[in-house]
Formats: sequence, structure tokens, C-alpha cells
Amino acid sequence: GAVVSQHPSRVICKSGTSVKIECRSLDFQATTMFWYRQFPKKSLMLMATSNEGSKATYEQGVEKDKFLINHASLTLSTLTVTSAHPEDSSFYICSARSGHEQFFGPGTRLTVL
Amino acid sequence: TQLLEQSPQFLSIQEGENLTVYCNSSSVFSSLQWYRQEPGEGPVLLVTVVTGGEVKKLKRLTFQFGDARKDSSLHITAAQPGDTGLYLCAGENTGGFKTIFGAGTRLFVKA
Repeated sequence: GAVVSQHPSRVICKSGTSVKIECRSLDFQATTMFWYRQFPKKSLMLMATSNEGSKATYEQGVEKDKFLINHASLTLSTLTVTSAHPEDSSFYICSARSGHEQFFGPGTRLTVL
Repeated sequence: TQLLEQSPQFLSIQEGENLTVYCNSSSVFSSLQWYRQEPGEGPVLLVTVVTGGEVKKLKRLTFQFGDARKDSSLHITAAQPGDTGLYLCAGENTGGFKTIFGAGTRLFVKA
């Protein structure tokens, strides 16, 4: 299947700092990528849909100024958590669409102290 | 709003037992995927079903898409400890590129 990478895999930061997470489709081009958040022992919660060359579409309740998404190329989308707070600590996962299917990155564990 | 109800939410069984996980909706999906996720990792795609009534097999795993494309099941035969993980179903709606995820089934297979 298609491969999606995510970087970093783990990040610890101080409250108030911003953190950027990269999502790359390695062997295919993805016009659409998705960003999810996952709480412990829970399913995936869609945060936003990232479309190459246009603004991201955010789900209800997700602050677009807090979670900045950029999809500047067909293989890269970034999620920036601005002014992070401890409640933003979570497992963030991206996925890229190829046809009917979504392929997921390995996730990024964010811990905000 | 489309919903995908997944059951059971948690399953703990002995090695060698069989099990079935269900995903049900009142809505029609153009396709449905099953994923398996291990702790600290992203979900890994197991299978995609597209045609109503379709059955796909992956070793000891059998996936079925309902005739009306509103439901799906995952059956595991002779479960092994290595099958332990979170199983997620995800349906793609017919109107566009929105994917709806089930709540997940956490499977624990004891040796």
C-alpha cells in the first residue's frame, strides 16, 4: 500500500510554544490529506481536511487559528499547533487519500508541559 | 449526519476462539475500509470493500460488505495474540470525500 510519513514522531514542548508536524505521502501524490486527533483508547477525531492549494476545511469545534494547516504541495501537509497548552497534548495522526482509500501516517505524540 | 456504529467496543477472548466485529449504519457508503491500529502507531489499512455483498478474505480475516452497502462485518477465525489491537471501520459517504469512522473495537487475545 501507499506510504505516509509523519515527523516528528514525538515532541515535548513548553506551554505557549508552537509545534509544527509534517505529513508526507512518499510514493503517491495526494490532493487531499486529513488531520486527526486521537485520545487514549478512543477512535479518531477528524480535525480538518487539507486540500492542496486551497484553504483547509475545519470540523466544527476545531479552532482554525489554533491549528494552522498548510498543504503547499501534493506530497506535504503541515499542522502547526500554535501557543500550545497542556490540553493540546494528544496523538495527532495524518492521512492521505489515494482513490477510495486513506493511508495513515504513524502519528505524532505531542506532550505540552 | 452519517453515523457508523461499531460493536462490540471491547472484546477479550482466548487464543483459538472466533469473533465477529460489526459496523452498521442507516446510510449508504460508496466504500468501506477496515483498519487495525496498535498502540502508539497509525492505523494500517486491512481491506477496502466497494461492492454490495462483497466478501474478501485476508488469511484468517473475512470481511463482508452488506448488500445495501450500509453495514460490514469482520470475522476472525482462530484468533491469535498477534491479532490484539484496535480495529476501526471507516465508510466513505456517497456524496463526496468524507470518511466516517466507527468508534473502534478494542480486541485483546489472551494466550
